[in-house]
Amino acid sequence: DTEVTQTPKHLVMGMTNKKSLKCEQHMGHRAMYWYKQKAKKPPELMFVYSYEKLSINESVPSRFSPECPNSSLLNLHLHALQPEDSALYLCASSQTGGNQPQHFGDGTRLSIL
Amino acid sequence: SQELEQSPQSLIVQEGKNLTINCTSSKTLYGLYWYKQKYGEGLIFLMMLQKGGEEKSHEKITAKLDEKKQQSSLHITASQPSHAGIYLCGAALLSYNNNDMRFGAGTRLTVKP
Repeated sequence: DTEVTQTPKHLVMGMTNKKSLKCEQHMGHRAMYWYKQKAKKPPELMFVYSYEKLSINESVPSRFSPECPNSSLLNLHLHALQPEDSALYLCASSQTGGNQPQHFGDGTRLSIL
Repeated sequence: SQELEQSPQSLIVQEGKNLTINCTSSKTLYGLYWYKQKYGEGLIFLMMLQKGGEEKSHEKITAKLDEKKQQSSLHITASQPSHAGIYLCGAALLSYNNNDMRFGAGTRLTVKP
């Protein structure tokens, strides 16, 4: 069982909908990440939060809005998505400082109609 | 071009055979991570390598880091069907802070019983 929990596991939404993806970890990690993974491709980094502050934004379109309410929670708010945004969205967390492995959740499979 | 090149892209082996997967970086490696992914699921952390010449083992999987060649190899001994999946190498390429991690394209391993 993964120690990073993502909900929902699957999400189907229309292009005009607003939805949120949620990620939770209780390992005391202070860095959290969102990745997007298309089929047969490696994960691509979207956002990084360090100590609840956004530290990396990889030029992600504004229709994706991350939020880190506290050190255990990470949200990704979705609005007006496009069909090409359909993908597996992965959350990860790690300790901060130096090389530390990232631990991943099982992902949310997102389909945009 | 990909910053991390993995080879081979796919591999089909008979159960019980040994195999090796390679990961080569076009940039200085500050840390190298190996992950395994089952289709549509999250990434499972296998091993982290930091120093040149470092070698780590977990059960039947061994990973080595050649810092001079900016290359890592993952070796599986006596493969089993449970080893099947996608193996991804990830690396911190900008600094020893691993927040900005990049992944190779992955190697898809099939083990035939």
